[in-house]
Amino acid sequence: SAVISQKPSRDICQRGTSLTIQCQVDSQVTMMFWYRQQPGQSLTLIATANQGSEATYESGFVIDKFPISRPNLTFSTLTVSNMSPEDSSIYLCSARQGLPNTEAFFGQGTRLTVV
Amino acid sequence: AQKVTQAQTEISVVEKEDVTLDCVYETRDTTYYLFWYKQPPSGELVFLIRRNSFDEQNEISGRYSWNFQKSTSSFNFTITASQVVDSAVYFCALSEAKDSNYQLIWGAGTKLIIKP
Repeated sequence: SAVISQKPSRDICQRGTSLTIQCQVDSQVTMMFWYRQQPGQSLTLIATANQGSEATYESGFVIDKFPISRPNLTFSTLTVSNMSPEDSSIYLCSARQGLPNTEAFFGQGTRLTVV
Repeated sequence: AQKVTQAQTEISVVEKEDVTLDCVYETRDTTYYLFWYKQPPSGELVFLIRRNSFDEQNEISGRYSWNFQKSTSSFNFTITASQVVDSAVYFCALSEAKDSNYQLIWGAGTKLIIKP
């Protein structure tokens, strides 16, 4: 199993600013993912964070708005740029080994409110 | 296309009742994996179980049991003698062996409320 530390756990930000969320895994993992979860909704994948290369974004998400870094196999950041109230959500970091039969582990999530 | 359906948006029962959460999936892959996760009010997703497509044996873990039926493409989750601490949102998810992106396909989730 893997333990994931995600911070900040929550934040209230002004519109137009940016917030960087950090995700630290206690062991090396092949895959890291970033999700967004609106209140009462399921998880929506933002992107797959690729080590040493550009992240792979899902439809509806772009690098300019959600730049992602992954400098090594245990760490990743997600930045929410030029925030608007519509970006208020829970952002979740997830890690998984590169096998389809492995479970994904999750950080505690970041509850973001944009005012 | 792959899909996971959790038709029950919310279930409310009184403590000690048994409750079953439904999960129906769609996939064209012959090898796939199904998962259940629990998301308590604190927000962190907790892994509960994984089942592969070749193993249709039901599984029991304490008060929790899972019924996997390929014939109906279902992977249902039953909590026996429910407790207030079981209150959470439960997600079912699918992973396909042919997916080189190793993504999980998530159901919409079922909010379970256990009343004392």
